[in-house]
Amino acid sequence: GESVGLHLPTLSVQEGDNSIINCAYSNSASDYFIWYKQESGKGPQFIIDIRSNMDKRQGQRVTVLLNKTVKHLSLQIAATQPGDSAVYFCADKNTGFQKLVFGTGTRLLVSP
Amino acid sequence: DAGVIQSPRHEVTEMGQEVTLRCKPISGHNSLFWYRQTMMRGLELLIYFNNNVPIDDSGMPEDRFSAKMPNASFSTLKIQPSEPRDSAVYFCASRDSNQPQHFGDGTRLSIL
Repeated sequence: GESVGLHLPTLSVQEGDNSIINCAYSNSASDYFIWYKQESGKGPQFIIDIRSNMDKRQGQRVTVLLNKTVKHLSLQIAATQPGDSAVYFCADKNTGFQKLVFGTGTRLLVSP
Repeated sequence: DAGVIQSPRHEVTEMGQEVTLRCKPISGHNSLFWYRQTMMRGLELLIYFNNNVPIDDSGMPEDRFSAKMPNASFSTLKIQPSEPRDSAVYFCASRDSNQPQHFGDGTRLSIL
């Protein structure tokens, strides 16, 4: 029979648009959050991280927003490019533990 | 700057055979992580080491799996005997204290 795998949510955008990828976490004790990008055939690549004492952090073309009240994390990519097409994972952890808990990922498709 | 290096990149073998996956972490990093990625279960942490000492192996699926880190620059993940359900992409990651984990490009393992 047909195998059932994880359903990856997909976000399709046009080149030049801004992209927003969302993530919910469940552990209210988490105090460190991180986003990774995974291209086909490669390992996850670090994009940006944020600690719980901040609610916003900016990098090059990327911004991470943290809302601890509702346990929500988002990644904003400005002026999305075809090279941004990948699967994006959020992960969180608690101080004192080294284990990152990864989300299931969101596939970003950027069309020219 | 060499990243995390994994070998082999691809491995195809018959069930029952022993499989050894290798990882060279980034020089100076003191923590090393082994992950498994499948469509069904996503990215799962198998085991991690701090200063070459295994800290948490609760993610290791069963006794057929073992991992070692004989020195700061080398780790192995061994499966003996291998089974078809072990087919997955296995990632190694390393980090320095309070820094993000950096991933290798993985070993794609197929057990026939």
